[in-house]
Amino acid sequence: AQKVTQVQTEISVVEKEDVTLDCVYETRDTTYYLFWYKQPPSGELVFLIRRNSFDEQNEISGRYSWNFQKSTSSFNFTITASQVVDSAVYFCALSEPFRDDKIIFGKGTRLHILP
Amino acid sequence: GAVVSQHPSWVICKSGTSVKIECRSLDFQATTMFWYRQFPKQSLMLMATSNEGSKATYEQGVEKDKFLINHASLTLSTLTVTSAHPEDSSFYICSAHRVATNEKLFFGSGTQLSVL
Repeated sequence: AQKVTQVQTEISVVEKEDVTLDCVYETRDTTYYLFWYKQPPSGELVFLIRRNSFDEQNEISGRYSWNFQKSTSSFNFTITASQVVDSAVYFCALSEPFRDDKIIFGKGTRLHILP
Repeated sequence: GAVVSQHPSWVICKSGTSVKIECRSLDFQATTMFWYRQFPKQSLMLMATSNEGSKATYEQGVEKDKFLINHASLTLSTLTVTSAHPEDSSFYICSAHRVATNEKLFFGSGTQLSVL
């Protein structure tokens, strides 16, 4: 069955520090997608990235980077030089496009960036 | 990017009344939409999959007679919370499935339901 685990429920770091949010997933399918979403206090979901299971290249987008390791079923997210505006809840998610395509979310990590 | 409009963004109602939430894909057709519920400080839990022209598929534990879903057109799905009770107070968010794009799933901005 699909499962997404984010063991870190809450993290606090001081501004400008780097922070890594962990995500471990379970799936029976060989084809799947992994996502990261940001949910600021206003509640809307902000799409950050979608990665398919055949693409293990790490990705960098500005201060954000993602490390996808199929061997450990992990898809970790790092914010470098964190800023107060990064404070939000971050969700890792998984979908299986050839099963039902619905997205299953992890429980989220609440990130506090302290000034 | 593609836009999904969810309305209303906030609703307060009395216990026993019904509330309808709309989810519209504004610039693409969505044969599939999903409805999620999020309690405070918790994750988004999938409630149901809404398919245009057919009955919705509900997740285990979700009462289909309580949460009525209608997907009558390729751009609109509605969720009606019938006979709402305080325990139904939650943040409801929809997403629409757009094929062949990198992002693929587009989320509405959510509806905060408070039942008094």
